[in-house]
Amino acid sequence: ELKVEQNPLFLSMQEGKNYTIYCNYSTTSDRLYWYRQDPGKSLESLFVLLSNGAVKQEGRLMASLDTKARLSTLHITAAVHDLSATYFCAVGPEGGNTGKLIFGQGTTLQVKP
Amino acid sequence: NAGVMQNPRHLVRRRGQEARLRCSPMKGHSHVYWYRQLPEEGLKFMVYLQKENIIDESGMPKERFSAEFPKEGPSILRIQQVVRGDSAAYFCASSPSGGFNEKLFFGSGTQLSVL
Repeated sequence: ELKVEQNPLFLSMQEGKNYTIYCNYSTTSDRLYWYRQDPGKSLESLFVLLSNGAVKQEGRLMASLDTKARLSTLHITAAVHDLSATYFCAVGPEGGNTGKLIFGQGTTLQVKP
Repeated sequence: NAGVMQNPRHLVRRRGQEARLRCSPMKGHSHVYWYRQLPEEGLKFMVYLQKENIIDESGMPKERFSAEFPKEGPSILRIQQVVRGDSAAYFCASSPSGGFNEKLFFGSGTQLSVL
């Protein structure tokens, strides 16, 4: 059974600092997603990572994928308050239907001024 | 181009009543997925539908839950005889054609509260 674990589950940081959220998964997968969720809102797609070594960047966020280690990271550079949200990684089981994603527990990020 | 539309936004039911949650996918999308999010947890897959077909219902509870996506109209997630444990946020997502590298676009969710 595919399991996805994120850490940390809660992260409080100062503006301007850097930090990394980790996403580990237990079996082989052919795609990994990062989503952002603001309180009471829907999920916003951030990144889709499809191959080993894939790296994508958008603004202050950068995501990478190491399929051999079954690990993805979401790196935050020089955090700002607007990045406060809950971040989920989600993994697609290899060979499974495209919409059946297994989600991590989420990492709640709080950026303090 | 409107996004994925879900209604109602909030739904309150008493134990034993029925809950009907609606989802209209993005224009041009023919694949719909339902997820459930319990408080402070990640989303859990429930069911995947195409028009008039259930493709994968491996995440659906065996009893009281059903889903449909008719030829015309929105997808419906139906929960019969609701219990308190059904209280959760239910999210619908859609994709254009179920392709391998497609993003899922999520609706704003329906928060179901069972009294």
